[in-house]
Amino acid sequence: QKEVEQNSGPLSVPEGAIASLNCTYSDRGSQSFFWYRQYSGKSPELIMSIYSNGDKEDGRFTAQLNKASQYVSLLIRDSQPSDSATYLCAVSRKGRRALTFGSGTRLQVQP
Amino acid sequence: DVKVTQSSRYLVKRTGEKVFLECVQDMDHENMFWYRQDPGLGLRLIYFSYDVKMKEKGDIPEGYSVSREKKERFSLILESASTNQTSMYLCASSEQGISYGYTFGSGTRLTVV
Repeated sequence: QKEVEQNSGPLSVPEGAIASLNCTYSDRGSQSFFWYRQYSGKSPELIMSIYSNGDKEDGRFTAQLNKASQYVSLLIRDSQPSDSATYLCAVSRKGRRALTFGSGTRLQVQP
Repeated sequence: DVKVTQSSRYLVKRTGEKVFLECVQDMDHENMFWYRQDPGLGLRLIYFSYDVKMKEKGDIPEGYSVSREKKERFSLILESASTNQTSMYLCASSEQGISYGYTFGSGTRLTVV
């Protein structure tokens, strides 16, 4: 089992729809969770972080964390073609200084 | 407004060469990291450093070494480049503590022929 798992996609949604991206992790002691966006040919950029159970909203983005079920998700409301990118989930595991990344979900927003 | 700078965007090296990848950050971050990114495999940690002259192996350190003589600079060294080290190399930095995300450099696409 991978430490951080994401569906590789592509996830295709129409413009204006809600895109839902999911991530599961295996280490129950994981403490911090991050979502990065990576455009083709570019490096990842941090878009959201979440540390406690529940929802965290930032503009069109909402991160959701459920530690009991060991999943974290990212919702993108009113999806735009400019949201088309690969979204990477990253987890900070207890006792480990560096983040562990999933392999990413490719999102395509159709105009 | 560049904060993490990788010295080369593209590199082509020959098998057996010693290769240096340089990374400089201007945010006074304690932590610096080297990852490689390959299709289907995601980002894999090679080495990281949490202080000057301090380093720890990541998940795939074989064939690599690192150097951090100054806080702002973290170098990745391929001792004898091989074709299986062809990849995108990403440097990142962060503040100390688990609550901080990374700032990535723009990446170096290395091809070993």
